[in-house]
Amino acid sequence: DGGITQSPKYLFRKEGQNVTLSCEQNLNHDAMYWYRQDPGQGLRLIYYSQIVNDFQKGDIAEGYSVSREKKESFPLTVTSAQKNPTAFYLCASSMRASPPRSPLHFGNGTRLTVT
Amino acid sequence: AQTVTQSQPEMSVQEAETVTLSCTYDTSESDYYLFWYKQPPSRQMILVIRQEAYKQQNATENRFSVNFQKAAKSFSLKISDSQLGDAAMYFCAYRFPNAGNMLTFGGGTRLMVKP
Repeated sequence: DGGITQSPKYLFRKEGQNVTLSCEQNLNHDAMYWYRQDPGQGLRLIYYSQIVNDFQKGDIAEGYSVSREKKESFPLTVTSAQKNPTAFYLCASSMRASPPRSPLHFGNGTRLTVT
Repeated sequence: AQTVTQSQPEMSVQEAETVTLSCTYDTSESDYYLFWYKQPPSRQMILVIRQEAYKQQNATENRFSVNFQKAAKSFSLKISDSQLGDAAMYFCAYRFPNAGNMLTFGGGTRLMVKP
């Protein structure tokens, strides 16, 4: 079955360490997205990519980096510059903006805890 | 910037009864798309219903329907014949055209269903 796989489900890191969250999709979608979810704040966009080798910053990109070397993969690195990295991270994908009503498909998320 | 507001942090409903979740948004665009997503305890984001702003007819999906008031910038979700499985966080989301498929989310409403 097609879908989006995020791994691991839970991730623990010490403060000051970079950490990379994995996101893989086999839906043949062009566009991929990273969202952060904090309690009471809904989802906020970190980065998005509409095609391979291209990506743009979202609303809260500071302290994060991404790469899009393959269509299927969009890893997110949480760097030591991110001041409050503990959160739930959701990866999503969609057909590239067309049809415009196409929904996002989400992974199951990664819960990152930094101490 | 577009904003989406869900003014009800929590709602409860008796099983088999009807509940309405509120959502308002702010935009200067005339053409856009609105979505309701459900996030159960598994934290998987599931699309519930979508509405195109150019359509006057309110969208319906089985027990779920919306009341879309474009002039008032209001997009409420009505759940009829509530079931225990409807208990979840519900997020309203807005997508503006020519922006890939990026969504702006509201802060969410936690729906509890009482047996």
